[in-house]
Amino acid sequence: DIQMTQSPSAMSASVGDRVTITCRASHDIRNSLAWFQQQPGKVPKRLISGSSSLQRGVPSRFSGSGSGTEFTLTISSLQPEDFATYYCLQHGSYPLTFGGGTKVEIK
Amino acid sequence: QVQLQESGPGVVEPSETLSLTCAVSGYSVNTEYHWGWIRQPPGKGLEWIGNIHRSGTTYVNPSLKSRVIMSVDTSKNQFFLKLTSVTAADTAVYFCARFSWADSLHFWGQGTVVIVSS
Repeated sequence: DIQMTQSPSAMSASVGDRVTITCRASHDIRNSLAWFQQQPGKVPKRLISGSSSLQRGVPSRFSGSGSGTEFTLTISSLQPEDFATYYCLQHGSYPLTFGGGTKVEIK
Repeated sequence: QVQLQESGPGVVEPSETLSLTCAVSGYSVNTEYHWGWIRQPPGKGLEWIGNIHRSGTTYVNPSLKSRVIMSVDTSKNQFFLKLTSVTAADTAVYFCARFSWADSLHFWGQGTVVIVSS
């Protein structure tokens, strides 16, 4: 099974900050990595799949990169509505596995 | 627009079987997509439970494999989850979703809360 290690688990940031979240896969998953945003009490929202393909309607301040075992989600300029928990998901093979999540809080 | 809606009992007694239904509208389950279940215990992260294909082929999280039964009814455009021998650790919000290798878990239901309690 492929393990996904996400870091940091939590972070504090200010509006306008550049934020970077990392996911590492225990094995090569090529570019089969998705990112989700979850607001409290809400359904996870897919932001990116295939490592870097932005979901339609997702602001361009979000971007994803990486391949193989190391992946990054970047928010270029953090907005108030971006304070949430972010999860990565490897979707290249079964069993699917999520990262542990990164909670982005207001500094 | 693809829509998914979970339904099931809000409370299940310990050692009993949790049964959930996911009703799909706006798209047929009788396609090449896989249809999946994900859960989230209170205050914790997301856990993939398993996926099912219209053929009935299932793919299950190894940590739950001995307790998970999934099925699909293409005539009703629904798919189902049964989790046997539940304990308090199975208390969670349960989501259903559509999956593809290219798009990952794309469309999600709103989630249903399941509490395991006597």
